[in-house]
Amino acid sequence: GDSVTQTEGLVTLTEGLPVMLNCTYQSTYSPFLFWYVQHLNEAPKLLLKSFTDNKRPEHQGFHATLHKSSSSFHLQKSSAQLSDSALYYCALVASSGSWQLIFGSGTQLTVMP
Amino acid sequence: DAGVTQTPRHEVAEKGQTIILKCEPVSGHNDLFWYRQTKIQGLELLSYFRSKSLMEDGGAFKDRFKAEMLNSSFSTLKIQPTEPKDSAVYLCASSLVPGREEYSAETLYFGSGTRLTVL
Repeated sequence: GDSVTQTEGLVTLTEGLPVMLNCTYQSTYSPFLFWYVQHLNEAPKLLLKSFTDNKRPEHQGFHATLHKSSSSFHLQKSSAQLSDSALYYCALVASSGSWQLIFGSGTQLTVMP
Repeated sequence: DAGVTQTPRHEVAEKGQTIILKCEPVSGHNDLFWYRQTKIQGLELLSYFRSKSLMEDGGAFKDRFKAEMLNSSFSTLKIQPTEPKDSAVYLCASSLVPGREEYSAETLYFGSGTRLTVL
């Protein structure tokens, strides 16, 4: 069945250092993936999503590349900012055709000064 | 533009009570989802409606959780009876039905959630 795995529950790093949050998936069909971000006391919102033509999506300095060979869609940013501290969810569109999202368990990113 | 509206923002209930959470999706959206969010489990799907029809009823949540969508602009989630383990944030989200293109998928818009505490 479809599933999303985020291996890190908590990532803490210093401002200015690069960020990489891991996301791997299992999908029966060609995958369509998302990253959602949730700041404290706010609703989750879309950060970026994969494209069918394999273009690399970017938003707010974050980018992610879909690698079908390794079933991964890791989230990256070259230089972390304090405002990046948030909960990040990787999500996959279910293969069942219902278009519901299957979420990973989430990674809490804390950026320290 | 009005986003997804959830009420109340906070709810405190005694064990065994019945509570009803409310959600108004983004106008024109066809899909509506109810999720439970906890630190341990993350986001768990409770119910999923497409054009007011129940598509997914959340499996393990069926016995005490009941979501309804009486019209396209309003949904409720009833928990009856509540238990302390139900303490969590309950999120409602909506999206457009994706187009016919096989590889398209629409963005999910979330409400701010209802924080439920069951004593």
